[in-house]
Amino acid sequence: SAVISQKPSRDICQRGTSLTIQCQVDSQVTMMFWYRQQPGQSLTLIATANQGSEATYESGFVIDKFPISRPNLTFSTLTVSNMSPEDSSIYLCSVEDSPGDTEAFFGQGTRLTVV
Amino acid sequence: DAKTTQPTSMDCAEGRAANLPCNHSTISGNEYVYWYRQIHSQGPQYIIHGLKNNETNEMASLIITEDRKSSTLILPHATLRDTAVYYCIALRHNNAGNMLTFGGGTRLMVKP
Repeated sequence: SAVISQKPSRDICQRGTSLTIQCQVDSQVTMMFWYRQQPGQSLTLIATANQGSEATYESGFVIDKFPISRPNLTFSTLTVSNMSPEDSSIYLCSVEDSPGDTEAFFGQGTRLTVV
Repeated sequence: DAKTTQPTSMDCAEGRAANLPCNHSTISGNEYVYWYRQIHSQGPQYIIHGLKNNETNEMASLIITEDRKSSTLILPHATLRDTAVYYCIALRHNNAGNMLTFGGGTRLMVKP
């Protein structure tokens, strides 16, 4: 099973600034996903990030606000740009070991508070 | 993927079986029923999944009705560490990536 490390685990940021969240996996994986979990809510998929191609964003999420990098098969970053208090959430990275794999693995999440 | 409906919350006594129901009346023939759980301050954790047959692993059992319109996740001997939000998800396998659609889930509280 894949082990995922996210950094930072939490941060408090000023509005108008940007934060880049890192997701490191201990093995090569094809599929990586970024989710957002707003306070007291369930998880919502932001985008799918595959190595060598641009990320695919879900409805309501755009690249300018949440740029994603996927430079190799073990690493991805999500940037939350021009932050506002509404961006205060937990951001989670998820992976599948191989395409069509039946089990997804999640990182511990990054708890972001925007003040 | 089909919508699922779960009770908002449930209580269970420690050591007893926890039975968590899920309705998925519009599930299609090629959609699997998946269960994940999220313990406080952690990322979701895979529990089990099934298509038609009942499934069992070291964590839980999954009972799917014959018409596949509902299912029940069973934790046979609940412990305090099983307190979590449990998510039932209907998912069609996709080689382009299995994007999970999380509903509200059931908040299970295991009590001493």
